[in-house]
Amino acid sequence: DSGVTQTPKHLITATGQRVTLRCSPRSGDLSVYWYQQSLDQGLQFLIQYYNGEERAKGNILERFSAQQFPDLHSELNLSSLELGDSALYFCASSARLAGTYNEQFFGPGTRLTVL
Amino acid sequence: GDSVTQMEGPVTLSEEAFLTINCTYTATGYPSLFWYVQYPGEGLQLLLKATKADDKGSNKGFEATYRKETTSFHLEKGSVQVSDSAVYFCALTPGGYQKVTFGTGTKLQVIP
Repeated sequence: DSGVTQTPKHLITATGQRVTLRCSPRSGDLSVYWYQQSLDQGLQFLIQYYNGEERAKGNILERFSAQQFPDLHSELNLSSLELGDSALYFCASSARLAGTYNEQFFGPGTRLTVL
Repeated sequence: GDSVTQMEGPVTLSEEAFLTINCTYTATGYPSLFWYVQYPGEGLQLLLKATKADDKGSNKGFEATYRKETTSFHLEKGSVQVSDSAVYFCALTPGGYQKVTFGTGTKLQVIP
């Protein structure tokens, strides 16, 4: 158990809909990262937040947005869903923003299926 | 931009066989290199890391050496077990930043 929790575990929805994925980082971790894992694209970094502020952006679509709240949990919002958005979405957390290295701890993921 | 290339899978080995999963990278500066493992139905876990050239990361019998001259970080294990069956990801992060670039993953299946 990494200490990172994600809800829901599974989500099935229809095209055009909007969903919210939730992540609670490990106790004390200030950084949260979101990743998308799909069969054709592999594991893609989406976005990073540190203590409530956006710090880095990866291959995140404009239809997707995220935020980190004062209690440090984070939400990833996916809107106007398309079939191709079906994937596993992982959240990870780490303790500090920068440095030579800070291990990221991954949650179990949310499996999104768009029908 | 940064990239990681790892060997295609799946890799199927018999128990106690020797494992090598190749990984090469492209990055500016001096990245840190990692191997993550993903067991079925779970998230990724850090397996080992190396933060500078010639460092050897090791954990659970797995090893990888940071080779700057060949930009490689190959994963090896002398004797695999059925419990090692998983997907292995090679990854890097540029110095001073937290964004991690992952390879496509290599699925390992170990049969008794």
